Amino acid sequence: GAGVSQSPSNKVTEKGKDVELRCDPISGHTALYWYRQSLGQGLEFLIYFQGNSAPDKSGLPSDRFSAERTGGSVSTLTIQRTQQEDSAVYLCASSLKGVTIKAFFGQGTRLTVV
Amino acid sequence: QQQVKQSPQSLIVQKGGISIINCAYENTAFDYFPWYQQFPGKGPALLIAIRPDVSEKKEGRFTISFNKSAKQFSLHIMDSQPGDSATYFCAASDNSGYSTLTFGKGTMLLVSP
Repeated sequence: GAGVSQSPSNKVTEKGKDVELRCDPISGHTALYWYRQSLGQGLEFLIYFQGNSAPDKSGLPSDRFSAERTGGSVSTLTIQRTQQEDSAVYLCASSLKGVTIKAFFGQGTRLTVV
Repeated sequence: QQQVKQSPQSLIVQKGGISIINCAYENTAFDYFPWYQQFPGKGPALLIAIRPDVSEKKEGRFTISFNKSAKQFSLHIMDSQPGDSATYFCAASDNSGYSTLTFGKGTMLLVSP
C-alpha cells in the first residue's frame, strides 16, 4: 500500500486480556515508531525500531507492553493483561533512515478496555 | 515532566481570522521543531517545521515563529478556513531530527464559517 497501515482500526477488549496491534510500514522505510495518543495527553513515544539495531524501548510504560518487528517490516505491539488506563489510540509511523520528523503516521488503532 | 508545553487546549476562530498556537520547550538540545495537523480518525501529518537558526518560516498560510532565547515557538494560520479545523500538535526533536519526537498535548482548532 501507499501509506502506513494499521489493524485493527478499533479493538474492544476485556480487562485482563492480551491484545496485539499490527503495523505495516511504508515499503522501504527502515525506521518504525509506536506512539500512544490518550485523550488530552498528546502523543507519547513508546518504542522505535531502526533497521537491524536494537530497538529503543525507553517509552514503554510497563513490562506488559512489548513490540517486535519481523523481517524489518511488519511490527506488532502486544499489551498483556490489559488495564482500563491502556485505552487510547495507538499510532504507528515509519520513515526513511530514521528521519523522525518526516515520518508518516498510520490512522491508528483505537483500543478500548472495558 | 512535560518537555513541550502547548497552549491553548482549544481555539475557536472565525473564518478569515488568524489562528495562533503557542509552544514552549525546556530541553535546549532540541534542534528541530515540527508542527503536525491531525483530522479526526487520521494520523498526524507533518505541516511545517523549523530549525532554531531561523526566526520564521512561512509556507502558504502557515507560519512558524521561533524565539530561541525564550525557548518558544508558535504556529500562525492566516486567513483561517473551516477546512483548517483539526487538532494541531507542536513537537521537538534533537539530533537534527533523527531522534524520537516529543509532542505537546495538542490544540483543537475550530474555524467557524
